[in-house]
Parts: sequence; C-alpha cells; structure tokens
Amino acid sequence: DQQVKQNSPSLSVQEGRISILNCDYTNSMFDYFLWYKKYPAEGPTFLISISSIKDKNEDGRFTVFLNKSAKHLSLHIVPSQPGDSAVYFCAASPFLNSGNTPLVFGKGTRLSVIA
Amino acid sequence: DTGVSQDPRHKITKRGQNVTFRCDPISEHNRLYWYRQTLGQGPEFLTYFQNEAQLEKSRLLSDRFSAERPKGSFSTLEIQRTEQGDSAMYLCASSLVGPGTEETDTQYFGPGTRLTVL
Repeated sequence: DQQVKQNSPSLSVQEGRISILNCDYTNSMFDYFLWYKKYPAEGPTFLISISSIKDKNEDGRFTVFLNKSAKHLSLHIVPSQPGDSAVYFCAASPFLNSGNTPLVFGKGTRLSVIA
Repeated sequence: DTGVSQDPRHKITKRGQNVTFRCDPISEHNRLYWYRQTLGQGPEFLTYFQNEAQLEKSRLLSDRFSAERPKGSFSTLEIQRTEQGDSAMYLCASSLVGPGTEETDTQYFGPGTRLTVL
C-alpha cells in the first residue's frame, strides 16, 4: 500500500524548457512535503519543501505546488539544466505535533535534461 | 559546513556475518534517522532517535537489526547474521526539532553505506 506515489518512472526534457514532476499521496495525515534529488551512489539532497498551509513555495528555479484537496503536488524546474539530471523523490510526513515524523517516500522519477 | 557523514561507504560481507555502520549527524541536530533503500524504491524508514532516546523502532526489519545512539551524537546500526536480502543502501539523516524551530521536520541525508551480502 503505497502512500506516496510517483507514477512517472522517467521524464526527458530539453535544456531550457520546464520540467514538471508529479506526486500523489493518500494519507490525509500528511502535512509536510519535501522533494529530494539523488545522484547515483550519493544520498538524497534536500531541494524544497511545502507545508499544507501553503499552496506554493518557490526557491530560485524550483517551485513546488500543493493541491491538498486532490492530494497532489508537483515540482516545477524552470529553466531545466543538464545538471538537473537525477532521480527526484517526493516525500511526506505529518507535522511534528502529531508525534513521529518519519518520511514516507515515493519510488522516484528519473529526470534527464537533454542539451 | 559539515553535513551528515557515514562510514563505511561500502561494505561487502559474507552471509551470516555481523556488520556495523556508523552515522555522524550535523552537529547541532538532535534527531537522527535510519532508512534503507533498495533498487528502484524510495528510502524506507527503519528507526529514529531524539537525542539518545530511540523513539520508534517497530519498523526495524527484524530482530537482527539494532541501532544505538549512546551519547546523543553519532549512531550505529548493526545487522547480525546478515542475509542476501539485507543487501541495500543504508541511509542516515538528521534534523533539528524543538522550541524555536518550525513544526516541520526537514531531514538531511548522508551519502549512505552500500551493503553487499555474498
């Protein structure tokens, strides 16, 4: 029973264009959502996050959108660069005041940015 | 800026042997998490500590797995009597929570220890 789903295993985008990575979740207890980027043989690197009280958070070329009613979030990368090629993981957790907050991860989407 | 470090980065062992991995969190962080990642999957939560207290360990995969954080700083994860199915990347993450921080828990990961059981 996957609580966080990334339905696209891979995505190819031309350099300079927009990359949109999608994530769906099923657990209504999730209130905090994070995106991590992972290169081969390295640990995940934190990119950007959003809490359920917001619907958008922006950091440079990265923007995360949250649609809580649809239990859907997306990561937009504009413009995409070859160095963005990596596996992107969506993760979710409850707020701290609900107790334990281990991250629940999706299976990842492999992004390839083509020069 | 010192991030999360893990040692060793790679470990090859024979089935039935015991292995121990070490994690050093970001220095001011009070929470430390262990995850396991297998091929094609996202990281899977195993256990976590707040300072030296292990607050959740029911998700450890079997009683062959144990973790410690004796002084609230570094942590070790031990797997006894390894099996081929234990082959995976073992990831450590740390975070800072508590008064004066937000009510969210942003975890920062180390580079991982890749375990291969022959």
